[in-house]
Amino acid sequence: GAVVSQHPSRVICKSGTSVKIECRSLDFQATTMFWYRQFPKQSLMLMATSNEGSKATYEQGVEKDKFLINHASLTLSTLTVTSAHPEDSSFYICSARDARQNTEAFFGQGTRLTVV
Amino acid sequence: AQSVTQPDIHITVSEGASLELRCNYSYGATPYLFWYVQSPGQGLQLLLKYFSGDTLVQGIKGFEAEFKRSQSSFNLRKPSVHWSDAAEYFCAVGANFGNEKLTFGTGTRLTIIP
Repeated sequence: GAVVSQHPSRVICKSGTSVKIECRSLDFQATTMFWYRQFPKQSLMLMATSNEGSKATYEQGVEKDKFLINHASLTLSTLTVTSAHPEDSSFYICSARDARQNTEAFFGQGTRLTVV
Repeated sequence: AQSVTQPDIHITVSEGASLELRCNYSYGATPYLFWYVQSPGQGLQLLLKYFSGDTLVQGIKGFEAEFKRSQSSFNLRKPSVHWSDAAEYFCAVGANFGNEKLTFGTGTRLTIIP
């Protein structure tokens, strides 16, 4: 299957700083990318959907000013957690698909964010 | 709203034994159902999916799942597990073929003992 690379796999940051997580499709063009978040012992929850060149669509309850999503190219989407706080500590995972080819979405390996 | 329940948080199975992981869903329309596996440090890998047709679906790595509409279930099975099957398993329901905007269960951690 297609490969989606997420970086970094783990990051620790200080409270109040911002952290950027990258999601790259390595061998296909991702027209659509999805960002999920997983709290300990809970489900993966969809945060937002981004289409290349457009503003992201956020799920209800997700602060768009807190979680900035950029999808400027067909191979890269970024999630920036701004002014991170300990409650933002979580597992973040992206998936990507080429909607033009009607393919399934492929997942990255996830990023474990710890805010101290 | 759609939801997925995986009632077993952690299951331990002996190598070579059979396995069944439970999944129940709630969805207003015809569901698109998926099973994913996640090994430590790895992304989610699709094991199998169901959209329509034959309710017994074959997947990769010897896994299969059966869709039972009357029970709102989509249980994952494998006749004989291998040590390499130890991982976290997620059931998910989506609105379309492209598994966009998935709703996941909380996952079942599978441990294999020799």
